[in-house]
Amino acid sequence: GAVVSQHPSRVICKSGTSVKIECRSLDFQATTMFWYRQFPKKSLMLMATSNEGSKATYEQGVEKDKFLINHASLTLSTLTVTSAHPEDSSFYICSATTDLLGEQYFGPGTRLTVT
Amino acid sequence: GQQVMQIPQYQHVQEGEDFTTYCNSSTTLSNIQWYKQRPGGHPVFLIQLVKSGEVKKQKRLTFQFGEAKKNSSLHITATQTTDVGTYFCAGLGGRGSTLGRLYFGRGTQLTVWP
Repeated sequence: GAVVSQHPSRVICKSGTSVKIECRSLDFQATTMFWYRQFPKKSLMLMATSNEGSKATYEQGVEKDKFLINHASLTLSTLTVTSAHPEDSSFYICSATTDLLGEQYFGPGTRLTVT
Repeated sequence: GQQVMQIPQYQHVQEGEDFTTYCNSSTTLSNIQWYKQRPGGHPVFLIQLVKSGEVKKQKRLTFQFGEAKKNSSLHITATQTTDVGTYFCAGLGGRGSTLGRLYFGRGTQLTVWP
């Protein structure tokens, strides 16, 4: 149980285009989903917290107009990287939880490369 | 946000040797979680520590939470090649604006030589 999927697993896009990444909780309803960014051999940096039906809460330094988050249902959150630039190339991972004081279930991640 | 420091960044051991990674926080943590990320994979939850001074064991893995709830450690006894990966600690925000937020340490990348 507690499986989280992400789509796509890899995406290559041209500079200036937008990319949408989906995060789904497959066998449970997540009260909250989180989006992280991970650089090679680095830690996970929390970008934003997403709750169904409400605006996402972004961490300091994360541009909300660049990283659009939509949480349409208890099983789906999407992250759209708008007007992508090469410096946005990274590994984006989502997580989902039913308990804010408990375990988070991570998706397999999306490798974004902006050329 | 909360600052969680983790050392060492890298650890290379021979199979059968022990391994320890340490985490320190600048503030008191509500709880601390440990995750393992295999090369090319995503973080997988290992354990959560909540109580001051708590010690939990999972087979060869021993997790400790400091008395002040500001530090934690993970110790692996007699490492095996299957232990390879990066081990992250993450402090969990317990209230207010930090509730539910995980603040990850930098991780310790463990390599085990057969």
